[in-house]
Amino acid sequence: SYALTQPPSVSVSPGQTATITCSGDKLGDKYACWYQQKPGQSPVLVIYQDGKRPSGIPERFSGSNSGNTATLTISGTQAMDEADYYCQAWDSSTFYVFGTGTKVTVL
Amino acid sequence: EVQLVESGGGLVKPGGSLRLSCAASGFTLSSYGMNWVRQAPGKGLEWVSHMSTYKYYADSVKGRFTISRDNAKNSLYLQMNSLRVEDTAVYYCARDPGSSSWYMSHWGQGTLVTVSS
Repeated sequence: SYALTQPPSVSVSPGQTATITCSGDKLGDKYACWYQQKPGQSPVLVIYQDGKRPSGIPERFSGSNSGNTATLTISGTQAMDEADYYCQAWDSSTFYVFGTGTKVTVL
Repeated sequence: EVQLVESGGGLVKPGGSLRLSCAASGFTLSSYGMNWVRQAPGKGLEWVSHMSTYKYYADSVKGRFTISRDNAKNSLYLQMNSLRVEDTAVYYCARDPGSSSWYMSHWGQGTLVTVSS
């Protein structure tokens, strides 16, 4: 079955850039998206179709996808960006697949 | 405004059954792909089931869970049978943004299912 792997944690200083990776076999051939989940809240879509931002998502969130890795980049990270982030892709045999999740800490 | 409100969670014994509901408003549920996604305590997100023209299930629930909808009530359901301790989780209802989009643009607040003796 298809699987997506993320680093368990990423630490970033306020104002700096946070980079979160998501690895999967030939992931670049699929569309990847990213969700943000703050404690006690439901997930929120922050990037879809590799690099598109839904309405209301700040421009500091960007995404890319190539080869075996999708990347979520948070530029000028703010304290409010501290959350868990999950990548997700669709596979014809496993259907919706979520990544293992990354906890972003803003120090 | 799109709203999804889950209900039906609770405490059930192993081997028991439960039916979750997701009431949709602000759109016509039958026109979109709809999903159930769960999250065990302290764990990551796990997709459970999808319904559009087709019905799909995760291997972990296939044969035990059934997804359905009532167009007149604009509601989505998840019938869960033969529940196991490992099914304990918050269950979210989530909507795809359109046909063949394969990601989730709107999420409900979730309902907690606890399977324990």
